[in-house]
Amino acid sequence: KNEVEQSPQNLTAQEGEFITINCSYSVGISALHWLQQHPGGGIVSLFMLSSGKKKHGRLIATINIQEKHSSLHITASHPRDSAVYICAVSTPWNYGGSQGNLIFGKGTKLSVKP
Amino acid sequence: KAGVTQTPRYLIKTRGQQVTLSCSPISGHRSVSWYQQTPGQGLQFLFEYFSETQRNKGNFPGRFSGRQFSNSRSEMNVSTLELGDSALYLCASSTETSGRNEQFFGPGTRLTVL
Repeated sequence: KNEVEQSPQNLTAQEGEFITINCSYSVGISALHWLQQHPGGGIVSLFMLSSGKKKHGRLIATINIQEKHSSLHITASHPRDSAVYICAVSTPWNYGGSQGNLIFGKGTKLSVKP
Repeated sequence: KAGVTQTPRYLIKTRGQQVTLSCSPISGHRSVSWYQQTPGQGLQFLFEYFSETQRNKGNFPGRFSGRQFSNSRSEMNVSTLELGDSALYLCASSTETSGRNEQFFGPGTRLTVL
């Protein structure tokens, strides 16, 4: 079982729809990151959070530490939101074998149709 | 501020050769992390350098190595290339610890091994 699981793997939405991408993890973390990757490879960091909720424009990220779960919401989706969204967790310094680095989910490919 | 730059952007090599990739972080960032992205494995952490010292290393063979210079620029080297090394190699910089701070990604170097 992967340490970071995302769902769904693929998501197609109509412009204007409300979108939710989920991320569950099984390890102790110091922070959780949401990343966006457009075709061509460039990655942009959207959020880094360790508790609660963050909002940036139409994007909202939440995390529940007790349930080891995070969600990324996109309100009023637009075709330019089409991208792969990647959840990653950073492990504490004492996490054996991969101290302090990022562990990535497989990504959710989002396609928003006009 | 200029973003993270990586050179070259594209590279074609043959099996058995070696390759060196370069990453210039954002000015003032002291942490540089390297990642490998393949369709099968997704994003995987290679290593992190901070102030010229390797701080973390992922589960990759010794053929993968790196270094960081006093100006924080970093290089990674892959020796005795294998077909499976074909991937997008991304570097990211951050002010301090990669896992606990927002990371800024470069555009990546796409390596093809024939």
